[in-house]
Amino acid sequence: GAVVSQHPSRVICKSGTSVKIECRSLDFQATTMFWYRQFPKKSLMLMATSNEGSKATYEQGVEKDKFLINHASLTLSTLTVTSAHPEDSSFYICSARDVTGNTEAFFGQGTRLTVV
Amino acid sequence: DAKTTQPPSMDCAEGRAANLPCNHSTISGNEYVYWYRQIHSQGPQYIIHGLKNNETNEMASLIITEDRKSSTLILPHATLRDTAVYYCIVRVRIGNEKLTFGTGTRLTIIP
Repeated sequence: GAVVSQHPSRVICKSGTSVKIECRSLDFQATTMFWYRQFPKKSLMLMATSNEGSKATYEQGVEKDKFLINHASLTLSTLTVTSAHPEDSSFYICSARDVTGNTEAFFGQGTRLTVV
Repeated sequence: DAKTTQPPSMDCAEGRAANLPCNHSTISGNEYVYWYRQIHSQGPQYIIHGLKNNETNEMASLIITEDRKSSTLILPHATLRDTAVYYCIVRVRIGNEKLTFGTGTRLTIIP
């Protein structure tokens, strides 16, 4: 199947700093990518839908100024957690479908963020 | 997207068939049944999908009832590496609508 790559897979940062997570579709183009977060033993919660060349659409309760999303090309979306706090520690996962929308969604391997 | 209901957990002996049920009684005519799984600390992995006919691929089989209100994912010969949380999701096939994850079924394969 298609490959979606996330980087980094694991990051530790200090409170107050910002962290950028990249999501790349390696062998297909994606006009839309999705960002999820997952707390331990919980299901995935959609945070936002990232649209290439336009503003992201955030789910209710997700602060857009806190979680900055940029989708500058058909193969790359980035999520920046700004002014990170320990409560932002979580597993962040992206997914993407190809430009036709006529395939399954593929997921990155996830990024474990720990804010200390 | 229509809501799905899955048992929270199941055990299966290694080498046996694992049968994971899913109820989706409010599924619409144009919605497909998708199955994903998530192994610990990894992103979800696509397994299989179907509309109304039974489907089989190298990973699993999907049996959908005639009224489409429920389905069963079958892993024919479960291995320890099949231990994961399995998510049943219903959604339209075309387009970039989001996937909404329920709580899934935590499948544990017992040696």
